[in-house]
Amino acid sequence: DIVMTQTPSSQAVSAGEKVTMSCKSSQSLLYSENKKNYLAWYQQKPGQSPKLLISWASTRESGVPDRFIGSGSGTDFTLTISSVQAEDLAVYYCEQYYDTWTFGGGTKLELK
Amino acid sequence: QIQLVQSGPELKKPGESVKISCKASGYTFTDYAMHWVKQAPGKGLKWMGWINTYTGKPTYADDFKGRFVFSLEASASTANLQISNLKNEDTATYFCARGPLYHFYWGQGTLVTVSS
Repeated sequence: DIVMTQTPSSQAVSAGEKVTMSCKSSQSLLYSENKKNYLAWYQQKPGQSPKLLISWASTRESGVPDRFIGSGSGTDFTLTISSVQAEDLAVYYCEQYYDTWTFGGGTKLELK
Repeated sequence: QIQLVQSGPELKKPGESVKISCKASGYTFTDYAMHWVKQAPGKGLKWMGWINTYTGKPTYADDFKGRFVFSLEASASTANLQISNLKNEDTATYFCARGPLYHFYWGQGTLVTVSS
């Protein structure tokens, strides 16, 4: 099974700050046939269902602010929020869909 | 618009069973797989498995083999999750989420509380 490891588990941030969080997979998520990385990022706020932000490691979903940037390939991935807003305080999960499905443990963004 | 609407919260005793439903609308139900995801209180997301809504074949993650059953009422565009012999550690919110690969559409979640 593919193991997904997210770091840090929590991070205290101030509004306007640039934030990066990491997601590492135990094996490559890059499918050679189509050169796509089978990785998604979700945002979950308390009491809500997860919201898909990014698919294929870097494709932002429609309506997602462009301050959310997904990058990386193979086994190392990053979600960057270029300038954190108050409404971005949430837990962020990565998920691989290369071989069945696995979520990372999450990164919680808190107010500094 | 596409919606997944889940059944309401459940309070059960250890050893009992529970059945959660997820009714889909706004698309052809049999065109997309349905996944189930568990979230224990204060914990992360855990993928439980999925069901092929065309064939009805379920696939379970290793930790969810045995007491967990995915089923369909395709005529009602509904996917079900049944958990038997409930344990305290089954206390969680259970989400359905539409496939096929990443999960854009999610149900609102169903809280199952297991307590004596």
